[in-house]
Amino acid sequence: GQNIDQPTEMTATEGAIVQINCTYQTSGFNGLFWYQQHAGEAPTFLSYNVLDGLEEKGRFSSFLSRSKGYSYLLLKELQMKDSASYLCAVRDSNYQLIWGAGTKLIIKP
Amino acid sequence: DTGVSQNPRHKITKRGQNVTFRCDPISEHNRLYWYRQTLGQGPEFLTYFQNEAQLEKSRLLSDRFSAERPKGSFSTLEIQRTEQGDSAMYLCASSLARGGGYTFGSGTRLTVV
Repeated sequence: GQNIDQPTEMTATEGAIVQINCTYQTSGFNGLFWYQQHAGEAPTFLSYNVLDGLEEKGRFSSFLSRSKGYSYLLLKELQMKDSASYLCAVRDSNYQLIWGAGTKLIIKP
Repeated sequence: DTGVSQNPRHKITKRGQNVTFRCDPISEHNRLYWYRQTLGQGPEFLTYFQNEAQLEKSRLLSDRFSAERPKGSFSTLEIQRTEQGDSAMYLCASSLARGGGYTFGSGTRLTVV
């Protein structure tokens, strides 16, 4: 079967750095997405990785290792507004998105 | 273009009633997706269209659910004889075929009482 695993909840301090991990087992791979979702709102696109390595976009970076079925999202200089759920999703061989359950990130002052 | 638009934002209905939601995708996107999301879970795939053709439906989509995209532009999702288990956020997303990211609408939150 297809499976995406990510931690259920993480806590970090304002101004610090946090890494959210995602491991996947899917039928085929056509890219990995990270989305941010605030409570009661729709997911918003953060990053996309299709090749191995690190993609940096401002305070957010995302890393992919296809051989290990592993990705992480790195958030630097955390702000209170970063409190949200972070969803990892993999596009499989049928170009369908397989979603993880999301990691709820709690930022403390 | 103002992104993906969904209406209504909220819907409260009595069990057994029919409801219909609408999604207007980004105009140049030819793929349109419907997802359902419950608290603490990721989006769950329901169905998707490429232009006006419905290419795939989830096995989770019972006969009470139907979706249309008559002219390859907006789409509707209808739930007949609603049940309390249908209470969820219904998300619509659009994308270009096979490439790029997925843009989500704000969702329709359905509560069945």
